Amino acid sequence: GALVYQYPRRTICKSGTSMRMECQAVGFQATSVAWYRQSPQKTFELIALSTVNSAIKYEQNFTQEKFPISHPNLSFSSMTVLNAYLEDRGLYLCGARDWGSSAETLYFGSGTRLTVL
Amino acid sequence: QQQVRQSPQSLTVWEGETAILNCSYEDSTFDYFPWYWQFPRESPALLIAIRPVSNKKEDGRFTIFFNKREKKLSLHITDSQPGDSATYFCAAQNNYAQGLTFGLGTRVSVFP
Repeated sequence: GALVYQYPRRTICKSGTSMRMECQAVGFQATSVAWYRQSPQKTFELIALSTVNSAIKYEQNFTQEKFPISHPNLSFSSMTVLNAYLEDRGLYLCGARDWGSSAETLYFGSGTRLTVL
Repeated sequence: QQQVRQSPQSLTVWEGETAILNCSYEDSTFDYFPWYWQFPRESPALLIAIRPVSNKKEDGRFTIFFNKREKKLSLHITDSQPGDSATYFCAAQNNYAQGLTFGLGTRVSVFP
């Protein structure tokens, strides 16, 4: 079956430092990877959508300078939170889909919970 | 403006009752509507999904009713079980965006 591994599960970083999270798709080709953030008391905010061999599309309020994303192949994607501050706290989720297939399901990783001190 | 709206914010039902969760959307180009459920300290998982070509989708105790004209849909959980207690998110997508837009969720509590 299709699985998405995301790591680390949780991380704590000091204010102003950076942290990187990774996402691995198993059992399918992750042609499209969406990164979301779920903040306390909020729903899932789409940060950016990455499609292999296409430019990464960032949503309003999120920038490449703050959340650089790498999607080098059909099984791996990573995102870094640069200069993390309190407002960056939350659960970060990667969702992967094989956009080229008929499958529409977005499979989520287990999430990376970021705490900023 | 919230593109996908859910109500109620929270819902409590007794075991065996039917829970009804509502969802509405703004963008008429949305053509795929998955519902995800999320248990505490876990990531969301796909529960059931529907496309506008249908007005009903059933999977066991979970049924989506879809009204394209009114841009509304609802998730019915029949014979609710305590294990159904979770937060349910309605989401929507169109072919062009490829990313899902989520509602704020409905927290469902089922008491035995």
